Amino acid sequence: DGGITQSPKYLFRKEGQNVTLSCEQNLNHDAMYWYRQDPGQGLRLIYYSQIVNDFQKGDIAEGYSVSREKKESFPLTVTSAQKNPTAFYLCASRPTGTTIYEQYFGPGTRLTVT
Amino acid sequence: ILNVEQSPQSLHVQEGDSTNFTCSFPSSNFYALHWYRWETAKSPEALFVMTLNGDEKKKGRISATLNTKEGYSYLYIKGSQPEDSATYLCASTHEAAGNKLTFGGGTRVLVKP
Repeated sequence: DGGITQSPKYLFRKEGQNVTLSCEQNLNHDAMYWYRQDPGQGLRLIYYSQIVNDFQKGDIAEGYSVSREKKESFPLTVTSAQKNPTAFYLCASRPTGTTIYEQYFGPGTRLTVT
Repeated sequence: ILNVEQSPQSLHVQEGDSTNFTCSFPSSNFYALHWYRWETAKSPEALFVMTLNGDEKKKGRISATLNTKEGYSYLYIKGSQPEDSATYLCASTHEAAGNKLTFGGGTRVLVKP
């Protein structure tokens, strides 16, 4: 089945450790996105990539890093510099060749840092 | 950073009743308005994408309207059913922002049997 997978569903880390969240898609989408959701807030854009080997900072990129070495994969690293890393993280992708585009979302990873 | 607001933040609806809620967004350089439905333990799913002032879209008992001049969109649920319980997200895109969607905080709808 085509779709977006994120793993793991729940992730626990100790403060000061870097952690990488996985996002894979087999939809042949060029563009991929990482969002963060905190309780009572909407989705905030962390990073996005429109093509392999290229990515741009979103609204809250500080403390995060990404890579886009393959079209199918867009991993997000939450570094120790991120002051409030505990949150729900959503990955999304969108089709190419459309001017009016909808994003397709993965199931999300809930990260807890203690 | 663009500001997209949704109200109310949450609402309870009796099964069979109709309801609506709003999304407000900056009208300048507007390009498109998206509505997503996010059910618990699932991924957000796209409902509608609208671009033109006066656009109306419908999917089953759910419909949406768009006013780009004043910067708002309504989402309507007719004859609410328990399966309509979800968080409804709106997001806007603006020319200056390129391919980025700016999301509102969502309206959480709970339909009570």
